Amino acid sequence: SQTIHQWPATLVQPVGSPLSLECTVEGTSNPNLYWYRQAAGRGLQLLFYSVGIGQISSEVPQNLSASRPQDRQFILSSKKLLLSDSGFYLCAGALLASNEQFFGPGTRLTVL
Amino acid sequence: GENVEQHPSTLSVQEGDSAVIKCTYSDSASNYFPWYKQELGKGPQLIIDIRSNVGEKKDQRIAVTLNKTAKHFSLHITETQPEDSAVYFCAASTVGFRANTGNQFYFGTGTSLTVIP
Repeated sequence: SQTIHQWPATLVQPVGSPLSLECTVEGTSNPNLYWYRQAAGRGLQLLFYSVGIGQISSEVPQNLSASRPQDRQFILSSKKLLLSDSGFYLCAGALLASNEQFFGPGTRLTVL
Repeated sequence: GENVEQHPSTLSVQEGDSAVIKCTYSDSASNYFPWYKQELGKGPQLIIDIRSNVGEKKDQRIAVTLNKTAKHFSLHITETQPEDSAVYFCAASTVGFRANTGNQFYFGTGTSLTVIP
């Protein structure tokens, strides 16, 4: 079965500091990968998705960026965090054949 | 693009009763409709899905129905239990690999289900 690993589980960062959230996939190859942000426990906002190594599509213009240096690794970054970047960040993968999407456990980010 | 609407936003039922959550979608090209359950502080978990060539699918106490003509699909939970309490999300997507765009998932805004013991 497929598993998404995310870390850290929680993170508190000051405004203006950099960010790096990592996501790795286990149990499948060449998945589509996604970063979502969820505010107040409701509503999933798609931030980035990737169909392959080095291929990133951005859905929402903001101060975040994403990279996919390896097939099963997806990284969300920021050079300078804003207060509005606080939220619950979810990494997800989707199997190409079935389109089934599976989520990681999430990272709770608080920007102070 | 696709637009998915979900109702109700909150739902309270007595233990043992049934719960129904409804979603509508706008893009007739969507052909894959998953439902997710999210417990507090955790990532969403896929609980059931349905594809456009099927009108209904059942898995124990959970069932999903799809009406392609009307572009709506529903989640039915029977004999609800307190552990069913969570936020439920519907989504719509298109199966099939797109070389340049990938497969995007469009989510409803979620339903907070409370099962009262």
